[in-house]
Amino acid sequence: QKEVEQDPGPLSVPEGAIVSLNCTYSNSAFQYFMWYRQYSRKGPELLMYTYSSGNKEDGRFTAQVDKSSKYISLFIRDSQPSDSATYLCAGSGGTSYGKLTFGQGTILTVHP
Amino acid sequence: ETGVTQSPTHLIKTRGQQVTLRCSSQSGHNTVSWYQQALGQGPQFIFQYYREEENGRGNFPPRFSGLQFPNYSSELNVNALELDDSALYLCASSSPRGPQETQYFGPGTRLLVL
Repeated sequence: QKEVEQDPGPLSVPEGAIVSLNCTYSNSAFQYFMWYRQYSRKGPELLMYTYSSGNKEDGRFTAQVDKSSKYISLFIRDSQPSDSATYLCAGSGGTSYGKLTFGQGTILTVHP
Repeated sequence: ETGVTQSPTHLIKTRGQQVTLRCSSQSGHNTVSWYQQALGQGPQFIFQYYREEENGRGNFPPRFSGLQFPNYSSELNVNALELDDSALYLCASSSPRGPQETQYFGPGTRLLVL
């Protein structure tokens, strides 16, 4: 079993939709949770990070962490075609402090 | 502020050869991490360097080695290349003013081993 599981999709939504991206993880020591966006043939771009459980909002993006169920989510409101990319979740903490463990990534397409 | 840069952008090698990839960290960042990303997969942690010392290593064999220089730039060396080493190699840096987990990635070096 991978430490971070993520549905690879692909996920296709119309412009303006609310997108929900999800990951589960197995390592109870994880304290930091990150979401990255990766455009084709580019490096990952840090979107948001959260520490421990809770919500964090940044513009159209909201990250949620539920440590009791080991579930992390990213919501994108008013999705735009420019949001079309691969979204990667990652966790870190405990003995893997400073090391990011990534999910497989979810391919998102927002069509006009 | 200059972001993370990597060179070369693309590289083709044959099995058994050796390769050196280079990374310049973002200004003010003193920690550099290297990741391998196979096609269709998430990045996998190779190792991290802090103050020129290896500061953690993932499940990669010893033929993957690295260096960090006093200016915080870094190299990844891979010896005895295998076909499965074909991947995008990513370098990420993090600032001493924030958690090491907030890592900023470069564009990557795409390595093809034939």
